[in-house]
Amino acid sequence: DGGITQSPKYLFRKEGQNVTLSCEQNLNHDAMYWYRQDPGQGLRLIYYSQIVNDFQKGDIAEGYSVSREKKESFPLTVTSAQKNPTAFYLCASSIRGFTEAFFGQGTRLTVV
Amino acid sequence: AQRVTQPEKLLSVFKGAPVELKCNYSYSGSPELFWYVQYSRQRLQLLLRHISRESIKGFTADLNKGETSFHLKKPFAQEEDSAMYYCALSEGSGGSNYKLTFGKGTLLTVNP
Repeated sequence: DGGITQSPKYLFRKEGQNVTLSCEQNLNHDAMYWYRQDPGQGLRLIYYSQIVNDFQKGDIAEGYSVSREKKESFPLTVTSAQKNPTAFYLCASSIRGFTEAFFGQGTRLTVV
Repeated sequence: AQRVTQPEKLLSVFKGAPVELKCNYSYSGSPELFWYVQYSRQRLQLLLRHISRESIKGFTADLNKGETSFHLKKPFAQEEDSAMYYCALSEGSGGSNYKLTFGKGTLLTVNP
């Protein structure tokens, strides 16, 4: 079953801890993206990667970090420096140079 | 810089009525524009893109470069059209730093 998978679906974190959200795709897509979705804010781009071992900051990268060691994986780490981490996080992928993005089901992160 | 504006957070119409979801953009280059839709409990997915000039589920959208708009229209709304709609803008295809920017979204409710 091809697609893009995010895990876990729900995640709870204590304040001051780092946490990593997983995103895996088996669509053979070069490009991958992380968005944050907040009520009334739409989707805001955190980081994106066009190719393995390369990534760029999006509009709200502060307090987040990513890696792209494998084509199929693009994990997002929410660090303790992120001041307001409670949100719904969406991962997406696309063929490089082709603009339809496919989205995962999302991870809801709650800081307690 | 890219910017996408969806002026209406909420839009409510009756079944059978025409519907128009507004989207305006600001971009200095040659834009590629999309409409994405998120039905309840489903993934965000592509509805249509301006370069295809297609009609999907009865929806159409025309790019108006003079007015920098990409409004989504349907002549007769159906209850199953109720969803969150996002307008999105990307740099021209083939760009080395492809980036997809979303508006804040419009929640469409079609009443029986």
